[in-house]
Amino acid sequence: EAQVTQNPRYLITVTGKKLTVTCSQNMNHEYMSWYRQDPGLGLRQIYYSMNVEVTDKGDVPEGYKVSRKEKRNFPLILESPSPNQTSLYFCASSLAGADYGYTFGSGTRLTVV
Amino acid sequence: AQKITQTQPGMFVQEKEAVTLDCTYDTSDPSYGLFWYKQPSSGEMIFLIYQGSYDQQNATEGRYSLNFQKARKSANLVISASQLGDSAMYFCAMREPYHTGNQFYFGTGTSLTVIP
Repeated sequence: EAQVTQNPRYLITVTGKKLTVTCSQNMNHEYMSWYRQDPGLGLRQIYYSMNVEVTDKGDVPEGYKVSRKEKRNFPLILESPSPNQTSLYFCASSLAGADYGYTFGSGTRLTVV
Repeated sequence: AQKITQTQPGMFVQEKEAVTLDCTYDTSDPSYGLFWYKQPSSGEMIFLIYQGSYDQQNATEGRYSLNFQKARKSANLVISASQLGDSAMYFCAMREPYHTGNQFYFGTGTSLTVIP
């Protein structure tokens, strides 16, 4: 089944404890992206990647890191999480081109205390 | 300037009635794609419908149709015969392939509540 697999679904962590949210897609998509969703703010892009070893900042990159060593994987790293990073996070992937929409992962609800 | 504008934070509709969710967009790209996604309370993002900028006909997918008015830069979602399961958040999105390297832009969403 074509999908974007995102883990974990739920995570509660403490301030400053490094964490990684994994994202993997099995559709050979070039384009992958991370978003955070907060009430009233919609989806805001954190980082995106147009292909292996090509990543770029989105609208809200501060406090996050990403890597794209393989086409299928695009992990999101929070080196020192803070409470303002409590949010719902989505990984998404697509083929390149205006005709192609995103396939989203199922989301990660992160709480930083 | 906002690339995607959804001006209705919340909407109510009676079950079995039709409802229109508004979306306007801003681009100078000649080629672009317009998308609608549904997010139920469970949180996942579900693709509903796509409209290409060169498409002559409005896109339709079952009870969903996209009212595409290119000159007005509007891409409203029409849901016919609303059902209780249509209660969700709806996001309009646009993709520009050329000027912004395949970037997606999302609106802030419209929360739809279907009343029995």
